[in-house]
Amino acid sequence: GAGVSQSPSNKVTEKGKDVELRCDPISGHTALYWYRQRLGQGLEFLIYFQGNSAPDKSGLPSDRFSAERTGESVSTLTIQRTQQEDSAVYLCASSLQGGGGYGYTFGSGTRLTVV
Amino acid sequence: KNEVEQSPQNLTAQEGEFITINCSYSVGISALHWLQQHPGGGIVSLFMLSSGKKKHGRLIATINIQEKHSSLHITASHPRDSAVYICAVNTGTASKLTFGTGTRLQVTL
Repeated sequence: GAGVSQSPSNKVTEKGKDVELRCDPISGHTALYWYRQRLGQGLEFLIYFQGNSAPDKSGLPSDRFSAERTGESVSTLTIQRTQQEDSAVYLCASSLQGGGGYGYTFGSGTRLTVV
Repeated sequence: KNEVEQSPQNLTAQEGEFITINCSYSVGISALHWLQQHPGGGIVSLFMLSSGKKKHGRLIATINIQEKHSSLHITASHPRDSAVYICAVNTGTASKLTFGTGTRLQVTL
């Protein structure tokens, strides 16, 4: 596609429920990243995919968080048993390749509110 | 101490003023990025630098690798430049970005 597409744009969920966030990167971009931005705070790295594998998952905050990528395209970030501290904007970005030195294109994010 | 520090945290300017936002980092990097985040959250990549200087319209970004410092300049600022400007780096050969805390810019008429 022309840009990085994320869905849903907004999600309100009850504490304890599972949520799935989707990211559709730019076609041909092999690297895909998930970041999180809590209200009033900076961006935090969650996970990086190169192709369908995830060489860096160091930012996932707990085992309730998981992500997968299929077909070197769409990625899904899943949060199980959501907690209020999971409320944030979840941003996806893609780049032509990994390894740094390439520009990033960001999606518009999914605003997750856990009530 | 954060690996990427920005200053100032907040900046108010009048339309037409020349603006400078600074970024210092404490680690080896392969690239430095300047990003713009508008209210509503969308992030746009402005520049990627590994050396020297880049210019795009009224925006200029410079980097001094020896001093581990970068600046983003906005000439003839306009209210539509109001946004949060974020400095981010690729540390070493890392693919992920490490972010500064951002500079909130408000340009008034």
